[in-house]
Amino acid sequence: DVKVTQSSRYLVKRTGEKVFLECVQDMDHENMFWYRQDPGLGLRLIYFSYDVKMKEKGDIPEGYSVSREKKERFSLILESASTNQTSMYLCASSFIGDTEAFFGQGTRLTVV
Amino acid sequence: KNEVEQSPQNLTAQEGEFITINCSYSVGISALHWLQQHPGGGIVSLFMLSSGKKKHGRLIATINIQEKHSSLHITASHPRDSAVYICAVYTGNQFYFGTGTSLTVIP
Repeated sequence: DVKVTQSSRYLVKRTGEKVFLECVQDMDHENMFWYRQDPGLGLRLIYFSYDVKMKEKGDIPEGYSVSREKKERFSLILESASTNQTSMYLCASSFIGDTEAFFGQGTRLTVV
Repeated sequence: KNEVEQSPQNLTAQEGEFITINCSYSVGISALHWLQQHPGGGIVSLFMLSSGKKKHGRLIATINIQEKHSSLHITASHPRDSAVYICAVYTGNQFYFGTGTSLTVIP
């Protein structure tokens, strides 16, 4: 019973392409998060959203934007992909202030 | 300053050994997660806990809220347990992650 689904497990894109990473949750969670994982740096927050059309920058928002038009879907957008955005991207969702939180399976993005 | 500290960073064990990975955190949390990531693979959530102990097969996770500490135990370790294990704490509005423990189980 998958609760947080990321649209792709593996993705290869060319430098300069516009890339969309999609995350969908079916639990009516308010919070949704996007992280990236890099060797030696661990998981770092890119953006999060606490409601539809609401977004907040995380620690490393540069080069990314997000969209949350519907409660269940949080999209991470790379306007012009660059090789330094090659990484593992992880989505998570949760209720505000609640213990329940879930992770997607991750998307390995390679920009060539 | 790291809000979540894991130890050890790397661990090599013989098949069959009992393994413990530790996680200490410095923030108030509403839940703690243990995640597993195989080389080149995605991330799997093993446990979500806010108190006490949970068991799933050979894996056991415990948390002590007062001491701000959690442990992940693997009994009768197997080479397929080789992976990176990540501790993540949830404060109610954001996550903090440990840098992970890389486990290698040798046959």
